[in-house]
Amino acid sequence: AQSVTQLGSHVSVSEGALVLLRCNYSSSVPPYLFWYVQYPNQGLQLLLKYTSAATLVKGINGFEAEFKKSETSFHLTKPSAHMSDAAEYFCAVSEGTGGSYIPTFGRGTSLIVHP
Amino acid sequence: KAGVTQTPRYLIKTRGQQVTLSCSPISGHRSVSWYQQTPGQGLQFLFEYFSETQRNKGNFPGRFSGRQFSNSRSEMNVSTLELGDSALYLCASSTGQENTEAFFGQGTRLTVV
Repeated sequence: AQSVTQLGSHVSVSEGALVLLRCNYSSSVPPYLFWYVQYPNQGLQLLLKYTSAATLVKGINGFEAEFKKSETSFHLTKPSAHMSDAAEYFCAVSEGTGGSYIPTFGRGTSLIVHP
Repeated sequence: KAGVTQTPRYLIKTRGQQVTLSCSPISGHRSVSWYQQTPGQGLQFLFEYFSETQRNKGNFPGRFSGRQFSNSRSEMNVSTLELGDSALYLCASSTGQENTEAFFGQGTRLTVV
């Protein structure tokens, strides 16, 4: 069975500082991993996805994530936070069950960016 | 390419009523999934439809049901509404194939009073 744990329901950073959002997963098979972002009263938008082609994945808006199998982690980073990055971030894992690839989402991490 | 469209965006219903939410997926996508999002429970999977058949189901009571039409549009129905059903309901479409991401609509905000 697949599951996702996002450490920290809230992360607060100053504008220009490094952003690090943590995600650990559990999966019985090699997983597909995703990061989504959600702005208030909006749906989720894909930031990036891990496809097994490369362990370091680059996404939109300057975000990237590194897949570490030994640590079962897929942490999201951005070198320099902008005010516009303030949003809710969700990590998701999909391993495929009965032909269905429904992602399981973490509880989300709210990123707060201070000026 | 048009995105995922959910209607209506906002709804206010009274306890005991029923409600139907609609989702039009991206053209060519055959899989439509529904999620309930609340501050306390996060994103919870309701069900997935693929080519008009329910392929996967989450842990929700039978008051929550859905269907998918031949054009892949999907509807979700909630009967005998309870206060706890107040939530943002999100629809996601995908090709349903391996290693493809889900594309989300903006959601329907349901308030039960």
